[in-house]
Amino acid sequence: DTEVTQTPKHLVMGMTNKKSLKCEQHMGHRAMYWYKQKAKKPPELMFVYSYEKLSINESVPSRFSPECPNSSLLNLHLHALQPEDSALYLCASSHSTSEWETQYFGPGTRLLVL
Amino acid sequence: EDQVTQSPEALRLQEGESSSLNCSYTVSGLRGLFWYRQDPGKGPEFLFTLYSAGEEKEKERLKATLTKKESFLHITAPKPEDSATYLCAVQAEENSGGSNYKLTFGKGTLLTVNP
Repeated sequence: DTEVTQTPKHLVMGMTNKKSLKCEQHMGHRAMYWYKQKAKKPPELMFVYSYEKLSINESVPSRFSPECPNSSLLNLHLHALQPEDSALYLCASSHSTSEWETQYFGPGTRLLVL
Repeated sequence: EDQVTQSPEALRLQEGESSSLNCSYTVSGLRGLFWYRQDPGKGPEFLFTLYSAGEEKEKERLKATLTKKESFLHITAPKPEDSATYLCAVQAEENSGGSNYKLTFGKGTLLTVNP
């Protein structure tokens, strides 16, 4: 089973709202990732968690705040977003980051910021 | 800097008309090359991982090959349900200056298969 689940599927929020995106995997993977994808563009890496610790932040604005409560769960907390943050947010996981490993993606959350 | 170039940007085929998608890459040391399929509004679906030149992998109507400079995704007798964007990504070896977690994606090839 190579399933990564994400909730919600769609989210509409105002610029003053606070919301969270959730990602879950039960494959025993110890690396989890957040990506942002704009229309007709490839995914762009935002954050990497390795063994529940934030290992990489790709210079993402602080209005995006990741959290990894346990090895199966990854959250992305959103606050004071801008309309240009509207995109498809993808979660991915892999066995680890210490070796090359295939990243498996979730279905994504379509975010619209008004 | 790692670079991935996919061609063509878009490809329109008739059902049953075989063709190939190209992924050219520049990376100091290749750890892995990945092919994904992405349907509109969905997350990328993993297809293949290739590690070394000469390697080939197949899945149904798809076959991926790898050389030292490029990879091909061959589609044999495609069906309309094969219509999607196909993404290629590379992962560099850590000691080449890249980070072994990071995927560098190409811009994708939009494949349309008409019935």
